[in-house]
Amino acid sequence: QVHLQESGPGLVKPSQTLSLTCSVSGGSISSGNYYWSWIRQPAGKGLEWIGRVFTSGIPTYNSSLMSRVTISIDTSKNQFSLRLRSVTAADTAVYYCARYIYDLRNNPAGFDPWGQGHLVTVSS
Amino acid sequence: SYDLTQPPSVSVSPGQTASITCFGDELEDKYVSWYRQGPGQSPVLVIYQDIERPSGIPERFSGSNSGNIATLTISGTQALDEADYYCQAWDTSSEVFGTGTKVTVL
Repeated sequence: QVHLQESGPGLVKPSQTLSLTCSVSGGSISSGNYYWSWIRQPAGKGLEWIGRVFTSGIPTYNSSLMSRVTISIDTSKNQFSLRLRSVTAADTAVYYCARYIYDLRNNPAGFDPWGQGHLVTVSS
Repeated sequence: SYDLTQPPSVSVSPGQTASITCFGDELEDKYVSWYRQGPGQSPVLVIYQDIERPSGIPERFSGSNSGNIATLTISGTQALDEADYYCQAWDTSSEVFGTGTKVTVL
């Protein structure tokens, strides 16, 4: 069973870069028709999709964050990463990594599984 | 941008049926997924492709999608179903989540 685990700093200063890594275990990040995704959730608020990367390395981003975000994949380490530049307090949130599935007919089949989440606080 | 709107809260008595709606323009043309998020927990997929249940999800969870509204139905609601529920769909190169509904089992 595939398991995802986020890691990285829990505190980032304003204007700096937030960097998180998602480690995938129980399966190869290169296999299957999956998009590897980042989603965030400010305290007490809803879910916001940040972006995703396919195993080919081609990313897709939320247009509202596109100018500040980079998502990359390292198949040799079975990991994918998030970098969010020029952070402000508004970027304080729990950050989740998740796998997005496309079925054999290439139809979307949801985010499954999710990591446990990683709280990142932006503060000086 | 595309919006998915859910009622902020739904209350249901134990054993009764809870219905959670998700409104979006021409939503029936998209595949909708639903997620359950318990307190302090990560979201869990409970419905995908409008009506499909992943393995391990109880049969009391069902979904539908018609017109502009997708619906998640929880039949025979139990206390452990108390959680936040989110719908989600793909629109024009972006994943979109609904505003979320808190289900309270009274």
